[in-house]
Amino acid sequence: EVQLIESGGDLVQPGGSLRLSCAASEFTFSTYSMNWVRQAPGKGLEWVSYISAGSSTIYYAESVKGRFTISRDNAKNSLYLQMNSLRAEDTAVYFCARGSGSYAYMEVWGKGTTVTVSS
Amino acid sequence: DIQMTQSPSTLSASVGDRVTITCRASQSISTSLAWYQQNPGKAPKLLIYKASSLESGVPSRFSGSGSGTEFTLTISSLQPDDFATYYCQRYNSYPWTFGQGTKVEIK
Repeated sequence: EVQLIESGGDLVQPGGSLRLSCAASEFTFSTYSMNWVRQAPGKGLEWVSYISAGSSTIYYAESVKGRFTISRDNAKNSLYLQMNSLRAEDTAVYFCARGSGSYAYMEVWGKGTTVTVSS
Repeated sequence: DIQMTQSPSTLSASVGDRVTITCRASQSISTSLAWYQQNPGKAPKLLIYKASSLESGVPSRFSGSGSGTEFTLTISSLQPDDFATYYCQRYNSYPWTFGQGTKVEIK
C-alpha cells in the first residue's frame, strides 16, 4: 500500500526551530514531486511548499518564505521541512502529499503531524 | 495570486439528496482544478482532478464539471460517509491555492 508517514511535530516556543520528516513507501519516491500542506486548528487547507522529483524546482508560500526549507533524500525515500523562526500562526497539522506526475494536484496524503508554537 | 472561492460554506442535506458545491476562480485556470474530501481528524482524500476526472476508487456518485473560472462538484445521492468537508484546489500555476471549504452536514 502506498504510504506517507509524517513525524517530528512537537510543542516549540516562538522563535524556535523544528524539522519535519515524511517517510514514503510502496512507490518510486524519486519520480514524484512532493508537497507540504498545513491546516491550522479549525481552519482550511493551506499549501506550504513544493519540491520537484529531482529537487530542481522548489516553491514556498509567501507566509513561510525565508523561514522554511523543503528538501528530500531520494535514496532514503524521505521528504523534510526545516522550520525556523516559528510563530504562533505556524501552529497546525502538517501533511505531506505526493504530487501527480506532471501536475500539482495531490494524489496521496499522509495522516499529518502536529506542530504547536506556544510559550 | 488567483483566489478560489467556494460556496456555500455550509450545506445541510439528507441521505439521498443531490448536492452541488461551487468553486470560482478569480481568473481562468482552464481545467486545472481538483476536489478533495476531508473527514474530521483525517487527511484529505483526492476525489476529482482535471476538473472532471474521477480518481480511481472514488464512487461514481461524485462528479465534477466546469472550466475557466467556474467549477462544480456534484454528489448525485448523498451517502452517510459523504458528510464531510470538501475543498477545491487550483494547480495551474504556483502558488497552488485551496478554496475555504464547504462543510456538508446532516439536515
